[in-house]
Amino acid sequence: DVKVTQSSRYLVKRTGEKVFLECVQDMDHENMFWYRQDPGLGLRLIYFSYDVKMKEKGDIPEGYSVSREKKERFSLILESASTNQTSMYLCASSFTSTAANVLTFGAGSRLTVL
Amino acid sequence: LAKTTQPISMDSYEGQEVNITCSHNNIATNDYITWYQQFPSQGPRFIIQGYKTKVTNEVASLFIPADRKSSTLSLPRVSLSDTAVYYCLVGDMHQAGTALIFGKGTTLSVSS
Repeated sequence: DVKVTQSSRYLVKRTGEKVFLECVQDMDHENMFWYRQDPGLGLRLIYFSYDVKMKEKGDIPEGYSVSREKKERFSLILESASTNQTSMYLCASSFTSTAANVLTFGAGSRLTVL
Repeated sequence: LAKTTQPISMDSYEGQEVNITCSHNNIATNDYITWYQQFPSQGPRFIIQGYKTKVTNEVASLFIPADRKSSTLSLPRVSLSDTAVYYCLVGDMHQAGTALIFGKGTTLSVSS
């Protein structure tokens, strides 16, 4: 079964800490995405990547950065965590070729910043 | 990317058919329509995708009129386990690097 794995299901961090959220996919997908989900706001796109070392800003990139050194891994970095970054973070990947671009999501990482 | 509009919430009873309509007035020629389902504390999962007319799989049907400005997800004989949030997305699914924008979705509540 194809899989997108997010390294941490629950994290608690303090304001100002540097936070790494890791995502690995085993489907050889070109595209990878980071979303955050908050009550009443739905899913909002933070960053996405369509190739190794490539990245594009989504709707809400402020306060975040990403890294994609290998095709299977896409990391979301909070350089200095703040309380307003408390959220559920969802990673997804997709394969774009002749097939339709369907997203496969991980289970999510719930981050609490104190 | 085409913007989508869905009802915020819907209520149903077990055994009924549920139809959720999504409006996408500025859909482009190359855009596909995709629906996802999300349960609490899980990531969304793909349900169905279509370009025109009707698509059916083991989970749902998707009806797309000729003008493609709307689409309807049909869930036959829902059960309590179909209680979830349903998202409609529209985008060029063959364009590498296309970001997919989710709206707020439709919260479906199924009661016994």
